[in-house]
Amino acid sequence: SQTIHQWPATLVQPVGSPLSLECTVEGTSNPNLYWYRQAAGRGLQLLFYSVGIGQISSEVPQNLSASRPQDRQFILSSKKLLLSDSGFYLCAWSSGSNYGYTFGSGTRLTVV
Amino acid sequence: AQSVTQLGSHVSVSEGALVLLRCNYSSSVPPYLFWYVQYPNQGLQLLLKYTTGATLVKGINGFEAEFKKSETSFHLTKPSAHMSDAAEYFCAVRPPAGNTPLVFGKGTRLSVIA
Repeated sequence: SQTIHQWPATLVQPVGSPLSLECTVEGTSNPNLYWYRQAAGRGLQLLFYSVGIGQISSEVPQNLSASRPQDRQFILSSKKLLLSDSGFYLCAWSSGSNYGYTFGSGTRLTVV
Repeated sequence: AQSVTQLGSHVSVSEGALVLLRCNYSSSVPPYLFWYVQYPNQGLQLLLKYTTGATLVKGINGFEAEFKKSETSFHLTKPSAHMSDAAEYFCAVRPPAGNTPLVFGKGTRLSVIA
């Protein structure tokens, strides 16, 4: 069966520090991968998605970046965090348009 | 471009009462539609989906939704609310082909009163 792993679960980082969040999927190949952010009391904001290795589409210009170094690995990064980067970050995967997404358990990021 | 509108950011029902969460979409073609549930500090879980075929779809935890093309709606219902149904619910839409990402509504928080 397919599983998605996202870590860490919680993270407290100072302003200006770097960020690296990792997401991996098991039990499938060539998944579509997504990063979403959920700010407190707000909906889901799509940040990046990838349909293949090295293929990254950015939805919102900001100081975040994403990479897909392997087929089932999706990494969200920042060189310098801002206070506004605080939020709940969710990774998700899908195998096609006929299917919904399967979400990871999320990372709660607090920038202080 | 596709969009989703969820009417009511917060819905409160009594335990045992009908749950109705509204979702309307905007799309130039009949889309695929999804409902997700999110419990506090957790990821989203798929409740149900409509792609093709029967317009009344049943999901987990006793929820169901009906695709009404003429009304561009996909409302979520449950006949009798449980305390465990208290959560955030998201409606989402995507075109029927290609890799276009899901577009989510802003969510509706459901409270269940004992």
